[in-house]
Amino acid sequence: DVKVTQSSRYLVKRTGEKVFLECVQDMDHENMFWYRQDPGLGLRLIYFSYDVKMKEKGDIPEGYSVSREKKERFSLILESASTNQTSMYLCASSLKGDGYTFGSGTRLTVV
Amino acid sequence: AQRVTQPEKLLSVFKGAPVELKCNYSYSGSPELFWYVQYSRQRLQLLLRHISRESIKGFTADLNKGETSFHLKKPFAQEEDSAMYYCALSKLGTYKYIFGTGTRLKVLA
Repeated sequence: DVKVTQSSRYLVKRTGEKVFLECVQDMDHENMFWYRQDPGLGLRLIYFSYDVKMKEKGDIPEGYSVSREKKERFSLILESASTNQTSMYLCASSLKGDGYTFGSGTRLTVV
Repeated sequence: AQRVTQPEKLLSVFKGAPVELKCNYSYSGSPELFWYVQYSRQRLQLLLRHISRESIKGFTADLNKGETSFHLKKPFAQEEDSAMYYCALSKLGTYKYIFGTGTRLKVLA
């Protein structure tokens, strides 16, 4: 079974802090994604990566950056957290077009 | 622009009743379409994809290109079907999805 592991289930951070959300997958998937999930808005793509050191902006990249130094790890960085970044963050990976495998999510609260 | 619309935020049905979760899309090419489901306190997981034309947990979905729809159907709802359902679209040959806003299905006893 493919596993996508997100390092934290819940996080509480202060406004202005730099926040790192980590995601690791164990099945050698090329593609990795970060979404945020908000009630009434569904899932919105923040960033994605097709390969190591590659990254592409999704629909809502403002205020975020990513890092993919190793194939199995895709990190989402909030450079200076703000209250409007309070959300559920979902990481996913896929092998070509086979469909996503999601992590269990990180619920981030920025106070 | 590509878009996925799920018009119902909440759908309540009684156990044993038929279920139809609506999904409409706008895309000029040939899309790949998926349904994902999230049960309470579980991670989002793939339910089915139109290419495989399979039935999972009694659910089916048919791609109607004329109506640009991919509605999810089940003839007899069960309480364990209660969950959040998301329709998603991927441009053929790409790997990123556009998700709808989701429909919460509640199956009442």
